[in-house]
Amino acid sequence: GENVEQHPSTLSVQEGDSAVIKCTYSDSASNYFPWYKQELGKGPQLIIDIRSNVGEKKDQRIAVTLNKTAKHFSLHITETQPEDSAVYFCAAAPNSGYSTLTFGKGTMLLVSP
Amino acid sequence: NAGVTQTPKFRILKIGQSMTLQCAQDMNHNYMYWYRQDPGMGLKLIYYSVGAGITDKGEVPNGYNVSRSTTEDFPLRLELAAPSQTSVYFCASSYSQVEAFFGQGTRLTVV
Repeated sequence: GENVEQHPSTLSVQEGDSAVIKCTYSDSASNYFPWYKQELGKGPQLIIDIRSNVGEKKDQRIAVTLNKTAKHFSLHITETQPEDSAVYFCAAAPNSGYSTLTFGKGTMLLVSP
Repeated sequence: NAGVTQTPKFRILKIGQSMTLQCAQDMNHNYMYWYRQDPGMGLKLIYYSVGAGITDKGEVPNGYNVSRSTTEDFPLRLELAAPSQTSVYFCASSYSQVEAFFGQGTRLTVV
């Protein structure tokens, strides 16, 4: 089955800095890669996703890049703000059959004012 | 629009007791999922369903059971609770196979 590795497990940045979280996956059949943000005491919420037919996707201060050859994808947050502090999860899934998401172990991002 | 609703939010069980975690969604999603989240371990899939009357095991199904009699509801049953089942449980639903909407979670402690 799919295996998703996520790094780092914790990341501390100053407000205004950029943050990068990296994930690798093992199953070459995976072609859907979402990122979820989980705030304290809440369920994960989808913030951005990318499919294998594109290499990069942006949404305001958030961007995701995908390298299918190397089987890795990354989340980039620019101009970080204290409200970006949360746990971020990457995931991967093949978009075929009854596929389900395989999640990384999460990155705790702390943005200090 | 409530989305995915889980009850209860918190529960303490004694070893050997049983309980049902409730999950309901009002988005008419066919796909529903149960995950458990342990510190530093991410989200592990327990069971999932692709439609009413259809369920399948995920990565960590032992000690749990599910049913899906309606599109809206997907309860998770714990029989003979064990300390290893102490966790935060999340229910999710999706309109396709992968984009998932999560509930707020149920924090379960087995003592």
